[in-house]
Amino acid sequence: DAKTTQPTSMDCAEGRAANLPCNHSTISGNEYVYWYRQIHSQGPQYIIHGLKNNETNEMASLIITEDRKSSTLILPHATLRDTAVYYCIVRVSNTGNQFYFGTGTSLTVIP
Amino acid sequence: DTGVSQDPRHKITKRGQNVTFRCDPISEHNRLYWYRQTLGQGPEFLTYFQNEAQLEKSRLLSDRFSAERPKGSFSTLEIQRTEQGDSAMYLCASSLGIGNTIYFGEGSWLTVV
Repeated sequence: DAKTTQPTSMDCAEGRAANLPCNHSTISGNEYVYWYRQIHSQGPQYIIHGLKNNETNEMASLIITEDRKSSTLILPHATLRDTAVYYCIVRVSNTGNQFYFGTGTSLTVIP
Repeated sequence: DTGVSQDPRHKITKRGQNVTFRCDPISEHNRLYWYRQTLGQGPEFLTYFQNEAQLEKSRLLSDRFSAERPKGSFSTLEIQRTEQGDSAMYLCASSLGIGNTIYFGEGSWLTVV
């Protein structure tokens, strides 16, 4: 599985959009980009995933660059409950491969 | 709640004792995963099952660790002769089939004193 690079930490004002970047320059054509988050002392929570096209669900939007070497997770209106560590993971989806987590981005939403 | 369930949520044990954690995956999920997470680090893969077959084990899974999924439903992770370095959160996850999203439980915290 390709490796990802994320900033160690970020701050975001409550009510503003949080934009979390991820670099995955060695991603292969059949690897999906997944995002999870982990609130303190809880298990990782699935947020969203995508292959090529931008994706949106009730939690977030995922923007993948055309060359697929980077992506951005967007939380449109951050709340204090969005304070968490966010993990960007690339994974081949048509195999049984598990996820390999990095250290993620610690997002702090500021009142 | 029909998510991944783990038990116990917290366990304190003395060094040298054996501990066992149980995981109940989401109903009908045939793949089950175990991860370990220490403070400040992301989860690290330990092993996974497809139905009752254990298909892959990480190098992190020493001989003192054993995982089973006897009937392809719940799974147990046993740690024998615990050491202080085993103190961590043990996470279980499940997915429906190959390539589908993996859903995690809330984890089982182990403290070895």
